[in-house]
Amino acid sequence: QSALTQPASVSGSPGQSITISCTGTSSDVGGYNYVSWYQQHPGKAPKLMIYDVSKRPSGVSNRFSGSKSGNTASLTISGLQAEDEADYYCSSYTSSSTWVFGGGTKLTVL
Amino acid sequence: QITLKESGPTLVKPTQTLTLTCTFSGFSLSTSGVGVGWIRQPPGKALEWLALIYWNDDKRYSPSLKSRLTITKDTSKNQVVLTMTNMDPVDTATYYCARSDTIFGVAEYYFDYWGQGTLVTVSS
Repeated sequence: QSALTQPASVSGSPGQSITISCTGTSSDVGGYNYVSWYQQHPGKAPKLMIYDVSKRPSGVSNRFSGSKSGNTASLTISGLQAEDEADYYCSSYTSSSTWVFGGGTKLTVL
Repeated sequence: QITLKESGPTLVKPTQTLTLTCTFSGFSLSTSGVGVGWIRQPPGKALEWLALIYWNDDKRYSPSLKSRLTITKDTSKNQVVLTMTNMDPVDTATYYCARSDTIFGVAEYYFDYWGQGTLVTVSS
């Protein structure tokens, strides 16, 4: 299975909105509503931000939202804040009953 | 409070077998639907899913690493063990264990709690 495709980097100014895409295939992203997103600050463990495409765990800001269209999932962060600067990874369950992660996207808050 | 913690050697030699232990608290691996997985991250690189074991001993492995991985659990000790054979310098990474949640006894497909990770370096 190949890693899901994410842009290497995105950037935005405080208060703006950004969207990170995550492209897979019909065997993973397109085939299941089991896409999750993780935030990782330098030297820290990943943190679950979105699961099942668009659900937010308790405690995660409603500035984070997820969606999916076909084989591409997206994470949108609105009202960008300095603390949002981090690496973001998508993940999907697959038709092989395994998981696959994306290559990661570095978010810079200008 | 749910916590997970990885333990094992920080340095292994090429061709050796790596054994990592994930010790967790705050949940039980005997609860229907619960799973514990392993994910690694080479320095400066992306996350890579390795393996997962469910409450019922169902095991899943990364297709590309399946021949080298074994995952087991000790429910009484709240531990999950991952072994990886024939270690190579490219296996140098931080290894994380993480919980896969359950809702009403049905397995979920995301990792909601993660350990702090343990850095394993492969070098002679």
